[in-house]
Order: sequence, then structure tokens, then C-alpha cells
Amino acid sequence: DQQVKQNSPSLSVQEGRISILNCDYTNSMFDYFLWYKKYPAEGPTFLISISSIKDKNEDGRFTVFLNKSAKHLSLHIVPSQPGDSAVYFCAAVLYGGATNKLIFGTGTLLAVQP
Amino acid sequence: ETGVTQSPTHLIKTRGQQVTLRCSSQSGHNTVSWYQQALGQGPQFIFQYYREEENGRGNFPPRFSGLQFPNYSSELNVNALELDDSALYLCASSLAGGGWDNEQFFGPGTRLTVL
Repeated sequence: DQQVKQNSPSLSVQEGRISILNCDYTNSMFDYFLWYKKYPAEGPTFLISISSIKDKNEDGRFTVFLNKSAKHLSLHIVPSQPGDSAVYFCAAVLYGGATNKLIFGTGTLLAVQP
Repeated sequence: ETGVTQSPTHLIKTRGQQVTLRCSSQSGHNTVSWYQQALGQGPQFIFQYYREEENGRGNFPPRFSGLQFPNYSSELNVNALELDDSALYLCASSLAGGGWDNEQFFGPGTRLTVL
């Protein structure tokens, strides 16, 4: 049962344009959401997060939007740069005392064309 | 400040064997989590250790076990290896027990292949 879904395995965008990466989730109990970026042969690195009490969080070129009623979040990258080319994972946190879990989506490969 | 390191980088084992993967957490971090990332999938949570005690576990069988040591290093042990155990194994360290905010730092992973 995939609780966090990224339905687009890949996305190609021109340099300077906006990249929009989408993520859907099924569990309304999720409290916190994170986006990670992963380059080949490296571990995922944290990019940006959002609490379930907010609907938007911005950090430089990166903005995450959360629509709780639709159980949907998106990551916007503006403007996109070739160095942004990587796999992007959406992750959700389920707090449960001693059984806190970080649940990842399957990832979206972003290619930014120069 | 050194980052999270993992060893070995790659490993090949045969079915039924046992394997130990190692992780050295970022200095000062007291929490380590292990993940399995199969090909084409996102990382799946295996378990977390906080101050040398297991602090949460995902849907993995008991043949997946771990240890965390006082010097912030940790191990993931897998017994009776199966073909489906072939994956990239990631560890992530953080400060605070069970914290999931932006303080989680991942290592580069160990690629395990089971033949």
C-alpha cells in the first residue's frame, strides 16, 4: 500500500522555466512533509519541508504547497537550473510515539535542459 | 564536522548468507535510521535507533537487526539473505530522538547485491 505517491517518474524542463513536482498521499494523519533531492552515488539531501498546519513554505527558488483537503503537495522550482537535475523524493512523517516513520514516495527524475 | 559515512560502498552476497553494513553518524548525532531503497522505489524505513535503543521499526522481518554504539556508529545486520534484499541501504543520522525535521543527514548508501 503506497501511502505517498509520485505519479510522474520523470520531468523535463527548460532552464529558466518553472519545474513543478507533484506528490499525493493517502493518510490524513500525516503531520509533516519533506522534499529530498538525490544525485547519483549520493544520499538524499534535505531540500524543504512543510508542516500540516501551513499551506505554503518558501525558501529561495523552492516553494512547497500543501493542499490538505486534496491530500496533495507540490514543489515549485523557479527558475530551474541545470544543477537542479536530480531525483526528487517527497516524504511524509507519521508521528506515533516510539514508532515515528518517514515514508517516501517513489521519486521523480527532474532533467533541466540548458 | 564530518558527514555521514557508510561502508562498504558495494557488496555482493549469495542467498542464505549474512551481511553487516556499517554507518558512521555525523558527530554529535544521537539518532540513526536505516532505509532500504529497491530499484525504482523510494527509501523504505527499516528501523531507528536512539541512544542505542530501537526507537521504531518498519515492516521488515526480524532477520533485519541493528545496533547503535556509544561512538555514534551503527550496524545493520541481515540474516538469511534473499534475492529481494538486493537494494541500496541508506543510513541517516539526526540530533534528537525521533526527530524528522531538516536535521536528518543521509549517507551515500551501500549497494547490496544478492545472487
